[in-house]
Amino acid sequence: AQRVTQPEKLLSVFKGAPVELKCNYSYSGSPELFWYVQYSRQRLQLLLRHISRESIKGFTADLNKGETSFHLKKPFAQEEDSAMYYCALLNYGQNFVFGPGTRLSVLP
Amino acid sequence: NAGVMQNPRHLVRRRGQEARLRCSPMKGHSHVYWYRQLPEEGLKFMVYLQKENIIDESGMPKERFSAEFPKEGPSILRIQQVVRGDSAAYFCASSPRDRTLYNEQFFGPGTRLTVL
Repeated sequence: AQRVTQPEKLLSVFKGAPVELKCNYSYSGSPELFWYVQYSRQRLQLLLRHISRESIKGFTADLNKGETSFHLKKPFAQEEDSAMYYCALLNYGQNFVFGPGTRLSVLP
Repeated sequence: NAGVMQNPRHLVRRRGQEARLRCSPMKGHSHVYWYRQLPEEGLKFMVYLQKENIIDESGMPKERFSAEFPKEGPSILRIQQVVRGDSAAYFCASSPRDRTLYNEQFFGPGTRLTVL
């Protein structure tokens, strides 16, 4: 069955430190993976998607099919990165399967 | 473009009452998705609709829940005879068609349903 796991509910780092939010998935087929972010009092919004290989706000994520992972990384965290991050898998081109989310807290 | 609109933002119901949640997709979008988020959990897919059609309702509870997306007007998620376990945040998302180049869905702000 399609599933997305994010092992950390909460991740705290200091400003300027590297950050990695973990995401693993299980999917029978060629996966399409996304990271969505929800800042305080804002709606869920797309951060990045693996298919476009982009870097948004300094974040990158590489799809590792061998490890079935799609970890989100940023070399130097900023306070404004504090938010809820959701890893998501597109289920056969239709609905998303979301992970439980990781709350990132960047401390000054 | 105002984005995906949902109303009400907060809804309080007593057990046994009906809850109606509305979602207006972004202009030009004809595909709507409903997700539910229980406390401490991620969003869970419920139903995928196009205008006047239910495409996939595999995530919808078999009883008390229904959804529609009429030719005119918003999409409605209806919960009959609500129970405390229905308390959750309900999110709507829309997309212009089912297979865009990047398959992005745009989310509304959500409706927080509280059942007393």
